[in-house]
Amino acid sequence: EAAVTQSPRNKVAVTGGKVTLSCNQTNNHNNMYWYRQDTGHGLRLIHYSYGAGSTEKGDIPDGYKASRPSQENFSLILELATPSQTSVYFCASGDVGGYTEVFFGKGTRLTVV
Amino acid sequence: EQQVQQSPASLVLQEAENAELQCSFSIFTNQVQWFYQRPGGRLVSLLYNPSGTKQSGRLTSTTVIKERRSSLHISSSQITDSGTYLCAMEPNTGYQNFYFGKGTSLTVIP
Repeated sequence: EAAVTQSPRNKVAVTGGKVTLSCNQTNNHNNMYWYRQDTGHGLRLIHYSYGAGSTEKGDIPDGYKASRPSQENFSLILELATPSQTSVYFCASGDVGGYTEVFFGKGTRLTVV
Repeated sequence: EQQVQQSPASLVLQEAENAELQCSFSIFTNQVQWFYQRPGGRLVSLLYNPSGTKQSGRLTSTTVIKERRSSLHISSSQITDSGTYLCAMEPNTGYQNFYFGKGTSLTVIP
């Protein structure tokens, strides 16, 4: 069964600290995405990737880096976490061109204090 | 600019009533998906509907590309339908970089 697994599910970080959110997919999809979801803003695209070794900026990339070391794994990195990055983060995977159902992970709730 | 607008923002129905959710886009698209999300939960794809009418069980989506809008009709609502319904579109890049609306929060009461 297609699956996207995020870790950790919950994280409390201190301001200025480094945070890494991990995502693993078993769908063999080329594309992977990181979104954040905030009340009043909905889901916003942070970074995405077309395959191993590639990362692209989404709509709100400032303060975030991404890493795609393999087809299965896609990480979101906050080098210097700030309270404004407190949010719920979702990872997703999909395929290139045409239609393929997009699969989402369960989300990571990040609180920066 | 919010590229995807959804209405209404919230909706309360009595069980067995029908619901009509609307989505409009600021640019043309031929990739429209509807998603469902429980509070604090993951998003689940409900329907992919690039154009015309598509049905899945009690859900019917109608997308009119030239008018840049899509709708989701839920018939005979059930309490378990409660949650947030999100419309998403991909701006013809072919890479499924979906832009989401803010969602419609649906509450179905007995």
